Amino acid sequence: GGIITQTPKFLIGQEGQKLTLKCQQNFNHDTMYWYRQDSGKGLRLIYYSITENDLQKGDLSEGYDASREKKSSFSLTVTSAQKNEMAVFLCASSIGRVTNTEVFFGKGTRLTVV
Amino acid sequence: GDSVTQKEGLVTLTEGLPVMLNCTYQTIYSNAFLFWYVHYLNESPRLLLKSSTDNKRTEHQGFHATLHKSSSSFHLQKSSAQLSDSALYYCALSDHYNQGKLIFGQGTKLSIKP
Repeated sequence: GGIITQTPKFLIGQEGQKLTLKCQQNFNHDTMYWYRQDSGKGLRLIYYSITENDLQKGDLSEGYDASREKKSSFSLTVTSAQKNEMAVFLCASSIGRVTNTEVFFGKGTRLTVV
Repeated sequence: GDSVTQKEGLVTLTEGLPVMLNCTYQTIYSNAFLFWYVHYLNESPRLLLKSSTDNKRTEHQGFHATLHKSSSSFHLQKSSAQLSDSALYYCALSDHYNQGKLIFGQGTKLSIKP
């Protein structure tokens, strides 16, 4: 089996600050994802990447940047943190563009903006 | 576009009673896959069960669901709730158009009381 490691687990930022979340996977999966989890809104896709150096926007990409410099890692940047923002960001990976493939998740990074 | 609807944000049940979490979906593609993911507190979301076969019951860890394409539904059921079933449950959809990306519903928090 494999594991997805997200760092940091907790992130406290200030309004307007640029914040970076990191994700590593050892499944050797091609596709990686960043989801945002908000109560009552489900998991919303921010960015995904189907291979190294590929980036595809999800429904919630505004206000975020992403980077996939290696197959095993995928980082997400909040370009300007919004005051009182609180959310959990989940990194995930899967084999590839197959409709029935299982998606594996990390434990999340909890962001609080003060 | 594709969408998944979970109307109940919170379901509270007494231990031992049956569980039913509703999920309906919209897609124009006939080969859609439907998934249930479970997210326990302080853990990673993980796959509970999945199906693409019409009218076939799928079971895992005491839970079951049947995909009904005629009504676009994939409700999650369990005959007897346990305290340990308390978690956040997400229904999700994947199809050829989305190239394996998951579209999640809003999530249902299941709270089981003694």
